[in-house]
Amino acid sequence: NAGVMQNPRHLVRRRGQEARLRCSPMKGHSHVYWYRQLPEEGLKFMVYLQKENIIDESGMPKERFSAEFPKEGPSILRIQQVVRGDSAAYFCASSIGAGSSDTQYFGPGTRLTVL
Amino acid sequence: AQSVAQPEDQVNVAEGNPLTVKCTYSVSGNPYLFWYVQYPNRGLQFLLKYITGDNLVKGSYGFEAEFNKSQTSFHLKKPSALVSDSALYFCAVILTPSGYSTLTFGKGTMLLVSP
Repeated sequence: NAGVMQNPRHLVRRRGQEARLRCSPMKGHSHVYWYRQLPEEGLKFMVYLQKENIIDESGMPKERFSAEFPKEGPSILRIQQVVRGDSAAYFCASSIGAGSSDTQYFGPGTRLTVL
Repeated sequence: AQSVAQPEDQVNVAEGNPLTVKCTYSVSGNPYLFWYVQYPNRGLQFLLKYITGDNLVKGSYGFEAEFNKSQTSFHLKKPSALVSDSALYFCAVILTPSGYSTLTFGKGTMLLVSP
């Protein structure tokens, strides 16, 4: 059973470009979470999605950031008009259910560098 | 405010000695607590979790953690450290102000095991 997959693993963008990060959850998991790890900081929750629905986006910046989890295909985190402060590692996690006791399993992350 | 704290930025221990990585929490109600480990340039790997029941939780790679309600702690322990245990360790808690299961992480503790 493959784990959570993320691609690309490394992404370099120039200021003002768009970044698209993809996440395929573990087989059988329909709950996806995105977290961001900034340099010298811990992981911060960004958004929680189920298939075709955004459940909680309280941790996501109001501008330039969006996320989706379509019926078919991976979850996408999109960052428009990137700035240097967006440089970070972005991790996706998935769980089998929405219960508080359900373990979230993490992907290897996408390391975004904005030049 | 609900939070989780890891008071040590770094823990140093000699191989073969017992190790402890500390975590304290501040949440209302009954917490769900997790430990994850992150190796360099990798994603987070789940180690163990406390939901309910026995206060001593056993996890992967010989790690265990003890839930102490009176001290609001969930310290990670291992009887005999290995050099390969050197990594960044995160404690996390489920905070559900909105009813959703998003993880709140501590800042992380770097564990260095010397040969």
